[in-house]
Amino acid sequence: KAGVTQTPRYLIKTRGQQVTLSCSPISGHRSVSWYQQTPGQGLQFLFEYFSETQRNKGNFPGRFSGRQFSNSRSEMNVSTLELGDSALYLCASSLAFGYGYTFGSGTRLTVV
Amino acid sequence: GQQLNQSPQSMFIQEGEDVSMNCTSSSIFNTWLWYKQDPGEGPVLLIALYKAGELTSNGRLTAQFGITRKDSFLNISASIPSDVGIYFCAGHENNDMRFGAGTRLTVKP
Repeated sequence: KAGVTQTPRYLIKTRGQQVTLSCSPISGHRSVSWYQQTPGQGLQFLFEYFSETQRNKGNFPGRFSGRQFSNSRSEMNVSTLELGDSALYLCASSLAFGYGYTFGSGTRLTVV
Repeated sequence: GQQLNQSPQSMFIQEGEDVSMNCTSSSIFNTWLWYKQDPGEGPVLLIALYKAGELTSNGRLTAQFGITRKDSFLNISASIPSDVGIYFCAGHENNDMRFGAGTRLTVKP
C-alpha cells in the first residue's frame, strides 16, 4: 500500500514569490491535513480538507491556502513568501480528522 | 493556539533502560496521539488513544490517556539504539489539533 507522497522534496524560492506543494494521500483516505514544522515553533496545524472541503484551519495568515481535488489529492499554496516561511511542510492523510494520520516525508521549503 | 507542554525536552539514556515522557494541556482533548520522527522524515504514528483512562501498548511502547483528558504519557521499555529520534504528542478536540514540542531521545549503546 503506497504511503503519503509529497512533491517536491526540496524547494528554494525567493522572497515575494509564491509556491505550490503537492500531496497524494493513501488510497481511500479522504482527510488530508497540512502542517508546518520549524525549529522554533515546532509542528503547527495549517488546515484540513475532507471531500474537497476545508473543514478545519489553524492560525495562519491568508497567504497560506489549499485545496483538495476529487481524487483526494491536495495542494498547498503560499503566496508572497517571507523568510519566516522557510520550514518543513508536512502533509498527512487519514480516514477522518483526528484519527491517527500517516505523514508524508515532507517538502523542505527554503526562502532566500 | 497554545502548543502542548511536553517533557522532557531531551533524554540521554543507556541501552536497555526504560523511558518515560509526558504531555499536558490546559485544554481537554478527546484524542491523544504519539508520533516518532526520524531526521528528514515525517512523523510516524506510534499509538493512538481515543478514550480517557485508556492504556494501550504497541510492542515495547505503552501510552495512557489521562483520566482528566488533559494529559498523556508514553513509556518505552528496554530501549534499543533504533529508538533514537524525536517523539511528539498530539491532542485533538473537534477542530483543534495541537502538538508538543517533542522529546529528543538519545540511546547510548
